[in-house]
Amino acid sequence: GQQLNQSPQSMFIQEGEDVSMNCTSSSIFNTWLWYKQDPGEGPVLLIALYKAGELTSNGRLTAQFGITRKDSFLNISASIPSDVGIYFCAGTNTNAGKSTFGDGTTLTVKP
Amino acid sequence: NAGVMQNPRHLVRRRGQEARLRCSPMKGHSHVYWYRQLPEEGLKFMVYLQKENIIDESGMPKERFSAEFPKEGPSILRIQQVVRGDSAAYFCASSPWGSITSTDTQYFGPGTRLTVL
Repeated sequence: GQQLNQSPQSMFIQEGEDVSMNCTSSSIFNTWLWYKQDPGEGPVLLIALYKAGELTSNGRLTAQFGITRKDSFLNISASIPSDVGIYFCAGTNTNAGKSTFGDGTTLTVKP
Repeated sequence: NAGVMQNPRHLVRRRGQEARLRCSPMKGHSHVYWYRQLPEEGLKFMVYLQKENIIDESGMPKERFSAEFPKEGPSILRIQQVVRGDSAAYFCASSPWGSITSTDTQYFGPGTRLTVL
């Protein structure tokens, strides 16, 4: 089956620093999604990418859909304490229904 | 507009009992997905349903697990004769179009945390 490799597994940064995380896949996806999950909650969608090469921003978050459709990255600029959480990438294909998730990047922000 | 609702939020069962997890999709969404998440892991797809139909159950164990999404009422994920390995967080997601377009997006509920003693 399709697998996503997400890295890094965890990050410890100072408040104000920029963060970058990425996902790679052995197969292509039509859509890449980035979610954030807080403890005890479900994933919340941050950014959706629908087109190869697309670069999309949502406030301090920027994500790109790789040209090969096998990878994506998420950048967070000027991190703040509330950015703490687990970030997941996910890939989907049209008519497939299900999403395939990476194992997450745990972000810790030190004030 | 209420989001995806799941209940109960926490469920404790003894080995051999049955667990029933409920999911009400967002208003206007007729596609429901169930995922399981083990500690420190990503979400793993289990089953995809439309009203009264199972579309894809490739991620659901063949034994003891079943899912339904009736014409009226919430979607139900049922686990019979639970074992300790079933302890996990179970998330439901819903979408409006069922990925017939690439812009279809799944919205997640808060999850049900199942603990099997």
